[in-house]
Amino acid sequence: NAGVTQTPKFQVLKTGQSMTLQCAQDMNHEYMSWYRQDPGMGLRLIHYSVGAGITDQGEVPNGYNVSRSTTEDFPLRLLSAAPSQTSVYFCASKSRRDRRNTEAFFGQGTRLTVV
Amino acid sequence: ILNVEQSPQSLHVQEGDSTNFTCSFPSSNFYALHWYRWETAKSPEALFVMTLNGDEKKKGRISATLNTKEGYSYLYIKGSQPEDSATYLCAFLFGFGNEKLTFGTGTRLTIIP
Repeated sequence: NAGVTQTPKFQVLKTGQSMTLQCAQDMNHEYMSWYRQDPGMGLRLIHYSVGAGITDQGEVPNGYNVSRSTTEDFPLRLLSAAPSQTSVYFCASKSRRDRRNTEAFFGQGTRLTVV
Repeated sequence: ILNVEQSPQSLHVQEGDSTNFTCSFPSSNFYALHWYRWETAKSPEALFVMTLNGDEKKKGRISATLNTKEGYSYLYIKGSQPEDSATYLCAFLFGFGNEKLTFGTGTRLTIIP
């Protein structure tokens, strides 16, 4: 059981470039989300989705785009990379069945550096 | 924006000693409280999901308690081992039907052999 698969693990971008971080889960979870982790700031929610075709903004959505065309995939797009987007990104998924008692499952993380 | 606070930010503990740290969260509209363990270069993994006031959960040497009325949870580690070195995150889910987990900044625990 693969769980949550996130790619790539590492990426270096130049300012202004765009890229897509991929996230896929095979647990049939309805809820998927993207977080960024910066020193001293904890995990901050970028965007989330409660099911295919439904997305919403989190705490820090600016500069990022998401879509959810299938239950399995939730890609995160950086439209025009900026140095402020240098961070470690985590994708997480969670079942909405018995939503109160279920935990989130995380991908391996993507370390992104924008130069 | 909800405030979830963890203290201390970091902690050094001698191997064999016991330790505990705190997660504080808004007490109104409580729905669930999660604890995650996050080892360096790995992804966070769930330790506990707690939902009821007075809940106590245990997994091996690690246990947690929950007080929803005053808005805090304690994580305890008994007889610390080097493999306990990690960052411990708590995350708060508020309001029935809300899906968004709000994370604290974590407590980084280092066990000194």
